[in-house]
Amino acid sequence: DQQVKQNSPSLSVQEGRISILNCDYTNSMFDYFLWYKKYPAEGPTFLISISSIKDKNEDGRFTVFLNKSAKHLSLHIVPSQPGDSAVYFCAASAERRTGNQFYFGTGTSLTVIP
Amino acid sequence: DADVTQTPRNRITKTGKRIMLECSQTKGHDRMYWYRQDPGLGLRLIYYSFDVKDINKGEISDGYSVSRQAQAKFSLSLESAIPNQTALYFCATSDWGVEAGELFFGEGSRLTVL
Repeated sequence: DQQVKQNSPSLSVQEGRISILNCDYTNSMFDYFLWYKKYPAEGPTFLISISSIKDKNEDGRFTVFLNKSAKHLSLHIVPSQPGDSAVYFCAASAERRTGNQFYFGTGTSLTVIP
Repeated sequence: DADVTQTPRNRITKTGKRIMLECSQTKGHDRMYWYRQDPGLGLRLIYYSFDVKDINKGEISDGYSVSRQAQAKFSLSLESAIPNQTALYFCATSDWGVEAGELFFGEGSRLTVL
């Protein structure tokens, strides 16, 4: 049973506009959330994370929002650039209980159109 | 040189053959993981190891075994490969602690079982 879900397999956005990628989870024990970016023929690379004690974390053009009551997180990319075109995975961990065992969503393929 | 190195990068084999995928890391991390990626299923955890003497099953360990030969080396074996083990396999490492818990991935090993 998928504990982390990304319901949009793909997303297309114009360059300069905002990209919003969504992720839902079912396990209330998850307390640490991450986003990874993956280019073809490469391994995923870490993008941004958020702990459950926060509801927002920013890093440059990337912001992650966490809504614990809805068990939902989202990644905002503003402004979107063609180099952001990649597959984005969200991941969750119940760090305090299992220690870094991460559960991944199925990924959203983002295409930024120049 | 990559911090997390996987060999081989590509392998084609036949049903019933024994296959070993190797992973080595120079990051000095204690924690190592093996994931597989399948279209529409995202990344799923096969096995993980928190130190040389610690091996744990992940979500989909059936048909796989692992060996943690040293802190820097973690290998994945398929004792008798079957076609539904055709996938992209990733090795990853992580450090201790909540905020330091992001994964560092290798570039992947593409395995095809005919």
